[in-house]
Amino acid sequence: GIQVEQSPPDLILQEGANSTLRCNFSDSVNNLQWFHQNPWGQLINLFYIPSGTKQNGRLSATTVATERYSLLYISSSQTTDSGVYFCASANAGGTSYGKLTFGQGTILTVHP
Amino acid sequence: NAGVTQTPKFRVLKTGQSMTLLCAQDMNHEYMYWYRQDPGMGLRLIHYSVGEGTTAKGEVPDGYNVSRLKKQNFLLGLESAAPSQTSVYFCASSYTGLTEAFFGQGTRLTVV
Repeated sequence: GIQVEQSPPDLILQEGANSTLRCNFSDSVNNLQWFHQNPWGQLINLFYIPSGTKQNGRLSATTVATERYSLLYISSSQTTDSGVYFCASANAGGTSYGKLTFGQGTILTVHP
Repeated sequence: NAGVTQTPKFRVLKTGQSMTLLCAQDMNHEYMYWYRQDPGMGLRLIHYSVGEGTTAKGEVPDGYNVSRLKKQNFLLGLESAAPSQTSVYFCASSYTGLTEAFFGQGTRLTVV
């Protein structure tokens, strides 16, 4: 199946700073999602982005499917951005069809 | 529109006991998934279903059984709980295997 690697594993920021999180995947994908897991454990959908670029407020994401990576940008970070960010991907190939595979996550801590 | 609802939210079991976790979705999704999340790790797929009456094994299926008798419900069973099954369990659903997946709030299970 697809291997998903995220970097960096940990990230500490001061409020107001910008950051970029990266997700590399081992095969072509038809599904790429970014999630934020808040301190209460809830998984919140950020982006469904198998290709291209999307923006939602201070967050934006870009997936370059041909080069097998996706980036999540957080601008003007706030303490409420703290938590774990996961990317997950799936492809249409054989036994991997529809199996959403998660990376290990990036733990983001934003200090006031 | 409640989305994906998991029952119960918390549970403590003794080794050898059995239990069933219920996942319900009201979005008319075909695909449903059960994941487990252990400390410091991403989510790992236990079992999934591509439609009513179907189930398939994921990455870590041993010790679990599932059923999808109704399209809106996906049940995860532990026949004889073991301490290694202490984890947070997440259910998810999606319209197809390659569309955006939505997650429930999680079930924290402790086996003592």
